[in-house]
Amino acid sequence: SAVISQKPSRDICQRGTSLTIQCQVDSQVTMMFWYRQQPGQSLTLIATANQGSEATYESGFVIDKFPISRPNLTFSTLTVSNMSPEDSSIYLCSVVIGALEQYFGPGTRLTVT
Amino acid sequence: AQSVAQPEDQVNVAEGNPLTVKCTYSVSGNPYLFWYVQYPNRGLQFLLKYITGDNLVKGSYGFEAEFNKSQTSFHLKKPSALVSDSALYFCAVRDSSNTGKLIFGQGTTLQVKP
Repeated sequence: SAVISQKPSRDICQRGTSLTIQCQVDSQVTMMFWYRQQPGQSLTLIATANQGSEATYESGFVIDKFPISRPNLTFSTLTVSNMSPEDSSIYLCSVVIGALEQYFGPGTRLTVT
Repeated sequence: AQSVAQPEDQVNVAEGNPLTVKCTYSVSGNPYLFWYVQYPNRGLQFLLKYITGDNLVKGSYGFEAEFNKSQTSFHLKKPSALVSDSALYFCAVRDSSNTGKLIFGQGTTLQVKP
């Protein structure tokens, strides 16, 4: 498995501001993803964080709103830009280790007021 | 389109009784299936996976899942439930595009009562 940490664990932000979430893994991984879990909902993939190139976004998510960086194989950031209350969610990073097993970070609980 | 369905929003079971959390899937090609558990204010924890081989897969915390190709199901089971098993359970399938991303079901809340 992998040890995945996320910072911050939670935050309360005002609308119109931006928050950058960090994801750190204790080993080098090729595949890293960012998911969103809205209140009472399932997980939805935001994007695949590609090392050394632009992230691959899923339908409904755009780079201007959710810019992602992946400077190396152990670290990534997700920024939630120009936040609105609808962005209140848990944001989780995940990595693929070994035989297709995907492990998740503890999540960042974001509340936008 | 690929999808995962968990037909029950909530499952209630008495402690010590067997439990089943249902999951059905729709994918093109061979399915790679997963179960995760989420405790309150925690991230997702991997329970088990089916890639190939034996249809009965054993995982963490005494859980197992049965893959049934003809019924396109991957139900999660445990012979004897514990109160501490109470949590939110997600079934997921790996996208067949080989990008590694997972498609999740809507989740089932398991409530085990003493």
